[in-house]
Amino acid sequence: DAKTTQPNSMESNEEEPVHLPCNHSTISGTDYIHWYRQLPSQGPEYVIHGLTSNVNNRMASLAIAEDRKSSTLILHRATLRDAAVYYCILRDVKSGNTGKLIFGQGTTLQVKP
Amino acid sequence: DTAVSQTPKYLVTQMGNDKSIKCEQNLGHDTMYWYKQDSKKFLKIMFSYNNKELIINETVPNRFSPKSPDKAHLNLHINSLELGDSAVYFCASSQNFRDRGIYGYTFGSGTRLTVV
Repeated sequence: DAKTTQPNSMESNEEEPVHLPCNHSTISGTDYIHWYRQLPSQGPEYVIHGLTSNVNNRMASLAIAEDRKSSTLILHRATLRDAAVYYCILRDVKSGNTGKLIFGQGTTLQVKP
Repeated sequence: DTAVSQTPKYLVTQMGNDKSIKCEQNLGHDTMYWYKQDSKKFLKIMFSYNNKELIINETVPNRFSPKSPDKAHLNLHINSLELGDSAVYFCASSQNFRDRGIYGYTFGSGTRLTVV
């Protein structure tokens, strides 16, 4: 399974944008890039995913490098509620593969008021 | 309306006991999963069922046995509980594991198991 590398922790100020980086230099052509987050004492929550093009949804934006070897999750205005562990995961779903989500250590985001 | 619900939320039990955790999803998904999160917060997949068929069985002790009576339910039974089984167990579901990554997983809120 292709691996991802994320910083252990990041800090942000409330109401400022946050850019959470993820490196995945061994990504294959069939890997989707998924982002999840886990708020304290809750289960992981789907945030966004993409394959090649940048993606936007109501929670965040996902910017994918042209060579797909890195991506960035963008929270446009961080709130205290965004303090969580953010996981960048590659999901390999080529034929015959179960495409299971394999979690790494993630990035712990602290948001300061 | 909770999409993926687990019961119980907390479970405290003695070593050697047998216990079950139940999971139900009302999303109409075909695939369900069990994950274990240990004290270091590391999330690891244990099992997955697709429409009642086992598709993922990671290296988990035989004391753990999943059961899926229908595609909306996936239960986890644990025999002869040990101290090391203490963890938070999360159930999840997805549209179908063959969805080529275009759908996400929905997780439950977890069951905190404490073995004393």
